[in-house]
Amino acid sequence: GESVGLHLPTLSVQEGDNSIINCAYSNSASDYFIWYKQESGKGPQFIIDIRSNMDKRQGQRVTVLLNKTVKHLSLQIAATQPGDSAVYFCAENMGTYKYIFGTGTRLKVLA
Amino acid sequence: DVKVTQSSRYLVKRTGEKVFLECVQDMDHENMFWYRQDPGLGLRLIYFSYDVKMKEKGDIPEGYSVSREKKERFSLILESASTNQTSMYLCASSFVNLNTEAFFGQGTRLTVV
Repeated sequence: GESVGLHLPTLSVQEGDNSIINCAYSNSASDYFIWYKQESGKGPQFIIDIRSNMDKRQGQRVTVLLNKTVKHLSLQIAATQPGDSAVYFCAENMGTYKYIFGTGTRLKVLA
Repeated sequence: DVKVTQSSRYLVKRTGEKVFLECVQDMDHENMFWYRQDPGLGLRLIYFSYDVKMKEKGDIPEGYSVSREKKERFSLILESASTNQTSMYLCASSFVNLNTEAFFGQGTRLTVV
């Protein structure tokens, strides 16, 4: 099986409930942030992004919140479904080629 | 849809072998990246390329080299594979414009025995 997520924090959520996944980013100069979803055995998949001139952005069933004061990013998933089970991680970018990735959180959706 | 394709999903190689990991993207992206992903460490950048024949070292380039002869293709080379290079390798690409997302391939799980 996939060993990427062996040491990750895990969030267990009942199907239909909302999920909130948090990320503390490292650099106050970062001005662009991304959330990725990685399912077992697959590469990361883009979910949603946000630029530093915003504090909230909504997509389909997902919302990203950015708090620059405390360097905190969160991903909210509404009405969590079994297909949402995956590892989620954030990435920050300072306007260069370099992305800094978090280590991730495993989301488990309970039926 | 952007597609980043890595040539192998799983590879098993012997210590000392020369290993080639291939990556192709179909969106005319200027930037291409090679990362490795290990438990508890997140994604770490090995090498980056912003144009054909151009390359920059990332955070952990030791033991690796890269080749970008065509815009769509970025190869990672392990000159002499070692067991500590057992990992998940991820290729990504993005436009050169700042503040755009990187698109990832499906990953290659390499085991060196």
